[in-house]
Amino acid sequence: DTEVTQTPKHLVMGMTNKKSLKCEQHMGHRAMYWYKQKAKKPPELMFVYSYEKLSINESVPSRFSPECPNSSLLNLHLHALQPEDSALYLCASSQLGNTYNSPLHFGNGTRLTVT
Amino acid sequence: GDSVTQMEGPVTLSEEAFLTINCTYTATGYPSLFWYVQYPGEGLQLLLKATKADDKGSNKGFEATYRKETTSFHLEKGSVQVSDSAVYFCALILTGGGNKLTFGTGTQLKVEL
Repeated sequence: DTEVTQTPKHLVMGMTNKKSLKCEQHMGHRAMYWYKQKAKKPPELMFVYSYEKLSINESVPSRFSPECPNSSLLNLHLHALQPEDSALYLCASSQLGNTYNSPLHFGNGTRLTVT
Repeated sequence: GDSVTQMEGPVTLSEEAFLTINCTYTATGYPSLFWYVQYPGEGLQLLLKATKADDKGSNKGFEATYRKETTSFHLEKGSVQVSDSAVYFCALILTGGGNKLTFGTGTQLKVEL
């Protein structure tokens, strides 16, 4: 069982919709991440939050808007997406510090389809 | 820039066969190295890690040794099971590189009876 919980598991949305992906962890981790994974590809980093503050934005389009309301929760707000944004969106968390001392714990992802 | 190169898949083996998945890396500093596994329909799980040269990571019968001289971190298992069928990702992070993992392209493993 994963210790990082993502909801929903599947999401279908139109290009004019607004939706949100949610992620929750209760491991006391202070770093949280959003990754995007296309089929048969490795995950690509989108955002990193450290101590609830955005520390890395990998030049992600503004139609993706992250939010970290507290140390346990991470949201990804979606608006005006394109069909090419269809992918598996993975949330992860870790203790802060260099990752080799604090491996990333991944959720099972949200499978997003944009129609 | 930093990069990780993995062997192309899919790799198809019979149960109880020996597994090797090659991984080599290019890094400007001194990376820590990881293998992650992704089972169908799931997220990624850390399989093993090594933080310095000559370290051997091991877990669930899998092993990988950090070879600085050949910049490699090959994954091995002596006897695979059908349940090992998954996609395996080699990854690195630079010491002092913050929280950014660099992944290889992934290698799909299929184990048949």
